[in-house]
Amino acid sequence: DAGVIQSPRHEVTEMGQEVTLRCKPISGHNSLFWYRQTMMRGLELLIYFNNNVPIDDSGMPEDRFSAKMPNASFSTLKIQPSEPRDSAVYFCASTHGWGPTETQYFGPGTRLLVL
Amino acid sequence: EDQVTQSPEALRLQEGESSSLNCSYTVSGLRGLFWYRQDPGKGPEFLFTLYSAGEEKEKERLKATLTKKESFLHITAPKPEDSATYLCAVQARGGGNKLTFGTGTQLKVEL
Repeated sequence: DAGVIQSPRHEVTEMGQEVTLRCKPISGHNSLFWYRQTMMRGLELLIYFNNNVPIDDSGMPEDRFSAKMPNASFSTLKIQPSEPRDSAVYFCASTHGWGPTETQYFGPGTRLLVL
Repeated sequence: EDQVTQSPEALRLQEGESSSLNCSYTVSGLRGLFWYRQDPGKGPEFLFTLYSAGEEKEKERLKATLTKKESFLHITAPKPEDSATYLCAVQARGGGNKLTFGTGTQLKVEL
């Protein structure tokens, strides 16, 4: 299995530009999570989906952030407009089910730098 | 609000020098406590899940234990390849699959 796939791996953009991060979960997994990792705040959950439906988006920092999951094999996280404080590593993770025993498998992350 | 505090922030060990990493947590009903390993430039990799006080799990040189307030990750006779950041996370009852992470302990094992 290829694991969770994220693209791009690195993104450098200028303040005010739109940024779109992409994630392909592991085939057969039905829950998907978006995290942001910074040195100061560690790993923070932004939003998660179950069966393509957003369940909890309370971690989304502002209206500038939006996430979609149009089908079971693809999700996007969009930042518009981007700001320097959005610079971080963004991870996508997926799980097979909904129970407490389900392990979250993480992708390699997208390193975002907003100038 | 669920909280996870890990200590120390960084730890330097000599190869073979055993030690423990601490994870203190506050959660409204623990559903599970998770340990992950993260190598530089990579995503976190799952190690263990613990569900109740007194539970222990082992994998190679690592052993995780759980009490009602904290978890320890014991590293026995570490090797340089054990160098990584170790993350602890909690999942609360009624919180779905949401994980709350600590900021991690950065472990460096030297020859």
